[in-house]
Amino acid sequence: GDSVTQMEGPVTLSEEAFLTINCTYTATGYPSLFWYVQYPGEGLQLLLKATKADDKGSNKGFEATYRKETTSFHLEKGSVQVSDSAVYFCALSEVSGNQFYFGTGTSLTVIP
Amino acid sequence: GAVVSQHPSRVICKSGTSVKIECRSLDFQATTMFWYRQFPKQSLMLMATSNEGSKATYEQGVEKDKFLINHASLTLSTLTVTSAHPEDSSFYICSARPGTGGGKLFFGSGTQLSVL
Repeated sequence: GDSVTQMEGPVTLSEEAFLTINCTYTATGYPSLFWYVQYPGEGLQLLLKATKADDKGSNKGFEATYRKETTSFHLEKGSVQVSDSAVYFCALSEVSGNQFYFGTGTSLTVIP
Repeated sequence: GAVVSQHPSRVICKSGTSVKIECRSLDFQATTMFWYRQFPKQSLMLMATSNEGSKATYEQGVEKDKFLINHASLTLSTLTVTSAHPEDSSFYICSARPGTGGGKLFFGSGTQLSVL
């Protein structure tokens, strides 16, 4: 069945450091891929998404490219800020869009 | 943007009691809402799909008599954990999608349930 494997945390970085959070997936069809972020005390929010191979999703300086050949959707940011401290979830959804499969979440702490 | 309100954010209860968690879409109507559960260090797992005006659809392995879902209106779905036990302690989160199409999914802030 479908599944998402996400890099375990927690991750602690200094401000302005480069961030990569790895995410790989297994899917029977052609899923859409997502990164969700959960800031402390808030709900999950969509950060970015990609709906087909080679698409790049980007938002707030974060990027992820849908790589079908490596079944990956790694999240990257060139220079993290303290305000990026949150838990990040990788997810996939099949064409119907109702069933989401999430990774375990990666907690990121950025220190000044 | 659209907001989904989930309440309570944290609940501690004694074993054997029932706990109700509410999920409200504040500025849109949601024909369908979803309930997820996350055990420590594990993935968010879909428990059930809540359909307004009809019975919820439960995922394999989720006991429908234990996790009662009611979706009585287009803006409210409730999850009741009946006769809770310590193994039900988990993080529960709901989500909702405006309308009936395949649009963006909005999540609540989650409920941390601890059963003593």
